[in-house]
Amino acid sequence: GAVVSQHPSWVICKSGTSVKIECRSLDFQATTMFWYRQFPKQSLMLMATSNEGSKATYEQGVEKDKFLINHASLTLSTLTVTSAHPEDSSFYICSARDFDRDRGRLRSPLHFGNGTRLTVT
Amino acid sequence: RKEVEQDPGPFNVPEGATVAFNCTYSNSASQSFFWYRQDCRKEPKLLMSVYSSGNEDGRFTAQLNRASQYISLLIRDSKLSDSATYLCVVLGDAGGTSYGKLTFGQGTILTVHP
Repeated sequence: GAVVSQHPSWVICKSGTSVKIECRSLDFQATTMFWYRQFPKQSLMLMATSNEGSKATYEQGVEKDKFLINHASLTLSTLTVTSAHPEDSSFYICSARDFDRDRGRLRSPLHFGNGTRLTVT
Repeated sequence: RKEVEQDPGPFNVPEGATVAFNCTYSNSASQSFFWYRQDCRKEPKLLMSVYSSGNEDGRFTAQLNRASQYISLLIRDSKLSDSATYLCVVLGDAGGTSYGKLTFGQGTILTVHP
């Protein structure tokens, strides 16, 4: 079964509105979650790394004020696309890794949410 | 140079064919490597990890050449259900902000036809 739940699966919104996407780890604690974006016929591109209790780390070219990330608990990270525009229409996917306390490192593999298809009209 | 580069594809093969995908990566310090499969409009799913000694899972064989920074995936006896996009993925375990970061290749589309 799914170990990372992402909601909503799809959303259509008008230009200028904000959209919040949730990513939850269901049966493990995810100290680190990752947010990816995929445009049609392109690969996944990492947008930001979300760390529980601290500020997210954004990849070059990703506007942190536009893509707000909050990772307030060990099982929930949210991505808010503020003032969305048609060019923000994309497939957004979160991922998370379980932390192996015995080994003091992240487990493999990475678990993905089922993705959110955002369409901004 | 892209961090992870794959064959441009697309590959269009008949059922039963053998097909191979290649991938190169630029960061010699990369530690872990994977092949993911992505179906249209779905999230990527792990197909298999890639180990230095090479590994096989049924009809799928993955190989890693660290010296050449090269990864491959071989699919034997292709099935219609193998049609998907195959993503070469490299994991950065360098610590700091790269910890746990996956870098994806652009993907190679495979279509298996009857």
